[in-house]
Amino acid sequence: EDQVTQSPEALRLQEGESSSLNCSYTVSGLRGLFWYRQDPGKGPEFLFTLYSAGEEKEKERLKATLTKKESFLHITAPKPEDSATYLCALDSGGGADGLTFGKGTHLIIQP
Amino acid sequence: ETGVTQSPTHLIKTRGQQVTLRCSSQSGHNTVSWYQQALGQGPQFIFQYYREEENGRGNFPPRFSGLQFPNYSSELNVNALELDDSALYLCASSLAGGARELFFGEGSRLTVL
Repeated sequence: EDQVTQSPEALRLQEGESSSLNCSYTVSGLRGLFWYRQDPGKGPEFLFTLYSAGEEKEKERLKATLTKKESFLHITAPKPEDSATYLCALDSGGGADGLTFGKGTHLIIQP
Repeated sequence: ETGVTQSPTHLIKTRGQQVTLRCSSQSGHNTVSWYQQALGQGPQFIFQYYREEENGRGNFPPRFSGLQFPNYSSELNVNALELDDSALYLCASSLAGGARELFFGEGSRLTVL
């Protein structure tokens, strides 16, 4: 069974304090690993897709990386508007089986 | 480009009742999937519709059912509501055969009393 574990559950940083969020996974066949951002009471917003180990993608202050067992979301010099829950999800190649999501990391950036 | 829209945004039902939630997919997207997100949890896959047929289902009982219409909009129906059905219901659209990025709506918050 595919599993996604995100850590930490919650993280509080000062503005400008860089850090990383972790997504550990077990999957029979990875077709893609996704990162989403979710603001309170809203639907998830797509950030990145990673397909193979060694791949990296960047967007503003965010950078996602992928290994064979985990993915990291690095946040560089965060601002208060980066506060949100960050969700990691797997596509295990079932086609119509849906994505398997982790519980997310709740990130708070204090000014 | 029109994004994914869902209605209603909030609703309250009592145990045993039935509910219908609606979703309009993003322009150009032909696949719709539904997810249930309980408080403090990640979204859980309910089912997916493509060409008006269900072509994938998660671990949800048959009282969760759906429809997809020719314009790719969709409905989620839940019968015999239970207290544990209280959650944020998310609709997501995507393009079949392409990358699997999902584009979510704002969700429908269902409270079952």
